[in-house]
Amino acid sequence: QVTLRASGPALVKPTQTLTLTCTFSGFSLNLDGMCVSWIRQPPGKALEWLARIDWDDDKHYNPSRKTRLTISKETSKKQVVLTLTNVDPGDTATYYCARTARCVDGDCFCDPNWIDPWGQGTLVIVSS
Amino acid sequence: QVVLTQSPSASASLGASVKITCTRTGGHNSDSYAIAWHQKQPEKGPRFLMRVTGEGIHDKADGTPDRFSGSSSGPDHYLTISGLQSEDEADYYCQTWASDSVIFGGGTRLTVL
Repeated sequence: QVTLRASGPALVKPTQTLTLTCTFSGFSLNLDGMCVSWIRQPPGKALEWLARIDWDDDKHYNPSRKTRLTISKETSKKQVVLTLTNVDPGDTATYYCARTARCVDGDCFCDPNWIDPWGQGTLVIVSS
Repeated sequence: QVVLTQSPSASASLGASVKITCTRTGGHNSDSYAIAWHQKQPEKGPRFLMRVTGEGIHDKADGTPDRFSGSSSGPDHYLTISGLQSEDEADYYCQTWASDSVIFGGGTRLTVL
């Protein structure tokens, strides 16, 4: 069974750096074709994609957030880490990680239009 | 730049059908874009429902009920839910990939009357 869980601080002060960890099970990010994304949802607003990391360490970022984001993976720990620098109250959101690959009969294909499954999110509030 | 536009709200009666629309603007070779649909129920994480190709062929996630279907017509993409149930009351988001970025629509809040 594939599961993902986002974790991080519940409260962060403005200008600080937010570090989020996605811990997953049921798949390996070493596997060809495997990818993991970070997405967030501010309260009362729409979903916003932030970043994706691929099995080969290729990285993709939301162009409007790129300068503040860094995504990395710790494959042996089955974790993907996202950092967001210089946070402000507009970064208050529930942050989700999700596998971004379609797997059929053991073969996986990274597919940005196959964000499944989503993990349990973590609410981060940015406030002084 | 690709933008996905959804109506903010939709409603239909229990047992009825509803069609949620997502309109894609911008980009080039528009007919080749695939669209995905996600469901966000209150107090739950989002759930991937299906991907719909530019040709209107839908590919569902395991566990997506048969009463959910997707289709496309040019820049318009549709999520149809038949035989509405109370648990279908949720926000529905369309999503696509363009210019090396994932783009979400603004979401449609579905109310089941």
